[in-house]
Amino acid sequence: KAGVTQTPRYLIKTRGQQVTLSCSPISGHRSVSWYQQTPGQGLQFLFEYFSETQRNKGNFPGRFSGRQFSNSRSEMNVSTLELGDSALYLCASTTGGYAGELFFGEGSRLTVL
Amino acid sequence: AQKVTQAQTEISVVEKEDVTLDCVYETRDTTYYLFWYKQPPSGELVFLIRRNSFDEQNEISGRYSWNFQKSTSSFNFTITASQVVDSAVYFCALSAVNWVFGPGTRLSVLP
Repeated sequence: KAGVTQTPRYLIKTRGQQVTLSCSPISGHRSVSWYQQTPGQGLQFLFEYFSETQRNKGNFPGRFSGRQFSNSRSEMNVSTLELGDSALYLCASTTGGYAGELFFGEGSRLTVL
Repeated sequence: AQKVTQAQTEISVVEKEDVTLDCVYETRDTTYYLFWYKQPPSGELVFLIRRNSFDEQNEISGRYSWNFQKSTSSFNFTITASQVVDSAVYFCALSAVNWVFGPGTRLSVLP
């Protein structure tokens, strides 16, 4: 069974640009959640999608957005990048409820110059 | 509001020592789930254990054991006879209406 796949693995952008990250969940998993990991703030919840609907959102500015497609694949977008957006962005999938364990991808490491 | 606290930022032990990682949580929900995840140097978080709020039974799995105490809102994790391969960042997490992770504890096991 293939794991959670995130692309791209690494990317470098400059301030003001936008970026789109992709996440393919484990087959059969309908919930995809996104996290930002930085040395200073740890793992912070961005948002969660279930069956193409955003079910929950963390405390991030509107520059951070996401969506989920009918095949459960998800994308997150960050517009008008700031230096502080440099982080490891992790995607996780689960079958649907909050009781289930999260399966994480390897992450997309974003560097903003 | 939900919150997870891991007071220990970094711990260093010598191989074969026992080590306990502390986790304290806050939630107003009566139904919730607690997790421990391990993030080795390679970066990918790996699930270790899950407990629901109604199951305070402690668990032992090989060298790992977990102590869940609702009265103190704690869910501590002990590694017995630590090994170098246990070196990683360990995250405690809480889920009810979303997932909240603690700041993590970096464990270094020295040979």
